Amino acid sequence: QKEVEQNSGPLSVPEGAIASLNCTYSDRGSQSFFWYRQYSGKSPELIMFIYSNGDKEDGRFTAQLNKASQYVSLLIRDSQPSDSATYLCAVNGLPSGGYQKVTFGIGTKLQVIP
Amino acid sequence: GAVVSQHPSWVICKSGTSVKIECRSLDFQATTMFWYRQFPKQSLMLMATSNEGSKATYEQGVEKDKFLINHASLTLSTLTVTSAHPEDSSFYICSARPPGTHVSNQPQHFGDGTRLSIL
Repeated sequence: QKEVEQNSGPLSVPEGAIASLNCTYSDRGSQSFFWYRQYSGKSPELIMFIYSNGDKEDGRFTAQLNKASQYVSLLIRDSQPSDSATYLCAVNGLPSGGYQKVTFGIGTKLQVIP
Repeated sequence: GAVVSQHPSWVICKSGTSVKIECRSLDFQATTMFWYRQFPKQSLMLMATSNEGSKATYEQGVEKDKFLINHASLTLSTLTVTSAHPEDSSFYICSARPPGTHVSNQPQHFGDGTRLSIL
């Protein structure tokens, strides 16, 4: 079982719709969760992070965390063509060997259709 | 926000050449930096964790003699790909995590990446 799982997509949504991106993780002791956006040929950029169960909103983005079910999601409201990118879910686990390792999912490719 | 600078952004060189990539944290001190590699249409794969003042910690399957890491100061880590071959061609990305009370909760900030092409 992969440590962090995402559907690679592509996920296609029309402009203005809500895009829902999902991620599950296997380490129940995971403590913090991150969403990154990566445009083709570019490095990832941080969108949001969440530590506690529930929702966290930032502009058009909402991160949702459910530790009991071990999933984290990202909602993008009023999707724009510029949101078209690959979205990486990253999970920070428990300390091991003196440091903490962040594990990335494969990423979900989002396509927003004008 | 936190800024991480990576240089060079693009390298093309002949097989057998050694290539050095620099990663700098510009507005914070980073005792730990991370080096990733990403092949086309694949996820980021952690290669090693660079620790200031001590040896780097390499992930399983990563040759430490081929990928030399030096964390000379609190703001600079370098990755040297020694005797590079075409199969080493990839997108190499560094990251650093700002210090904080709960460092485990601090997100990583990425450099712009280095696209390495070995002919």
